[in-house]
Amino acid sequence: NAGVTQTPKFRILKIGQSMTLQCTQDMNHNYMYWYRQDPGMGLKLIYYSVGAGITDKGEVPNGYNVSRSTTEDFPLRLELAAPSQTSVYFCASRSDNQPQHFGDGTRLSIL
Amino acid sequence: DAKTTQPTSMDCAEGRAANLPCNHSTISGNEYVYWYRQIHSQGPQYIIHGLKNNETNEMASLIITEDRKSSTLILPHATLRDTAVYYCIVRVDSGGGADGLTFGKGTHLIIQP
Repeated sequence: NAGVTQTPKFRILKIGQSMTLQCTQDMNHNYMYWYRQDPGMGLKLIYYSVGAGITDKGEVPNGYNVSRSTTEDFPLRLELAAPSQTSVYFCASRSDNQPQHFGDGTRLSIL
Repeated sequence: DAKTTQPTSMDCAEGRAANLPCNHSTISGNEYVYWYRQIHSQGPQYIIHGLKNNETNEMASLIITEDRKSSTLILPHATLRDTAVYYCIVRVDSGGGADGLTFGKGTHLIIQP
């Protein structure tokens, strides 16, 4: 099994551009999460989903959107990139009462 | 989720046991203690979790005090590859709802050769 796969691994955006960070998991997990991690800090929850068709905001949702049309995929959309969104983004998934499994992250720079 | 307190950094000699403390004095009766680690530039990795009994798996042991206000993660024979930031997280192990993990700054464990 591939686990949680995130693409791209690195990306540089200009201010005001948009992009979608992809996350897919092949473990048939119901729960999926997006976090961001700023330098020297812990992870902060952006959005989460408890199943296909259901999403909800986490601690820092402003500037982001998500969708969950399938169990496997949970893309994160940045509509108008801002320098404050420069960060490392991690996607995670889990099944009922099990620990979260994380991807290797997407390193995003907004210039 | 209850707040946790961890030392900012620790050193340990290779081959020795690494003991990482965590204080969680406001933990509730239904909250679990989870440990994750993050090796440089990688996603967090689950290590172990427990409610009130001590737990052991192939990676580590978790010792929780009787009053549950603190715990210790033990890596029995630390190697250089165990150098990482270790996060102690307290949360209710629920089947749904907003159960994203709350990460603090963790403990930066450095294994010395």
